Amino acid sequence: GAVVSQHPSWVICKSGTSVKIECRSLDFQATTMFWYRQFPKQSLMLMATSNEGSKATYEQGVEKDKFLINHASLTLSTLTVTSAHPEDSSFYICSARDLQGSQYEQFFGPGTRLTVL
Amino acid sequence: EDQVTQSPEALRLQEGESSSLNCSYTVSGLRGLFWYRQDPGKGPEFLFTLYSAGEEKEKERLKATLTKKESFLHITAPKPEDSATYLCAAGGSQGNLIFGKGTKLSVKP
Repeated sequence: GAVVSQHPSWVICKSGTSVKIECRSLDFQATTMFWYRQFPKQSLMLMATSNEGSKATYEQGVEKDKFLINHASLTLSTLTVTSAHPEDSSFYICSARDLQGSQYEQFFGPGTRLTVL
Repeated sequence: EDQVTQSPEALRLQEGESSSLNCSYTVSGLRGLFWYRQDPGKGPEFLFTLYSAGEEKEKERLKATLTKKESFLHITAPKPEDSATYLCAAGGSQGNLIFGKGTKLSVKP
C-alpha cells in the first residue's frame, strides 16, 4: 500500500518551454501533496505544499508563477515548470500524505529528472 | 530555526562491519523523526518513524533510536545491498518535514 507514482520519470526540454510533471497516489487518497527539489549531493528541499481544492503554499524563494501547482483531485497533483531554464534542471520529487493515516507521514514518488538544454 | 544535521556525510564499511549513523535535530514542536533510504535516481523509501525519546524500532539489520536531541540508525552486519543514502527528517509543527543532507553508506563485500 501507500504507492505514489510520478510521470514522466525523466524529461529533456529546450530552454523557454514548459514541462508538466504528474504525481498520483495510487492506492490512497491524499488531501495534501508536497513538491520537493533535489540537486546533486543535496538533500530534499520543499518547494510547495499542494492542497486539494485550494491554492498551493509556496516556500520562501520559490516563484509561484514559475512553478505552477494544480491539485485537481484527491489522487493527482501536477507541477508545471514554465519557461524552463538550465538552472531549473534538477530532480523533482513529490510526496503524498494519506488522508486516513498519520498527519506527519509522507510517501514519496520515484522522482522526475528534468534536464533543460 | 528548525534544523536537522546528519553525520557522517559518507561512510564506508566492510561487509559485516556494524556502525551507526547520527541525526541531530533542533525542531520546535517535533512531530516525529523519520528515516528514509534513497537509492540513486529514486525517491526516498520510508523506513521508520519515531515519536518519543527512548523509542526504538527495528527492521532486519537496521535499528533506529531516538533521544531528545538526536536519533541513531544502527546497522548490524551490513551487506552490500544496504548501500544507499540514508535520510533523516524531522516532522515540524506545520506538518512539514525538515530533511538532513543524508549519509551515503557504501558497504564493500
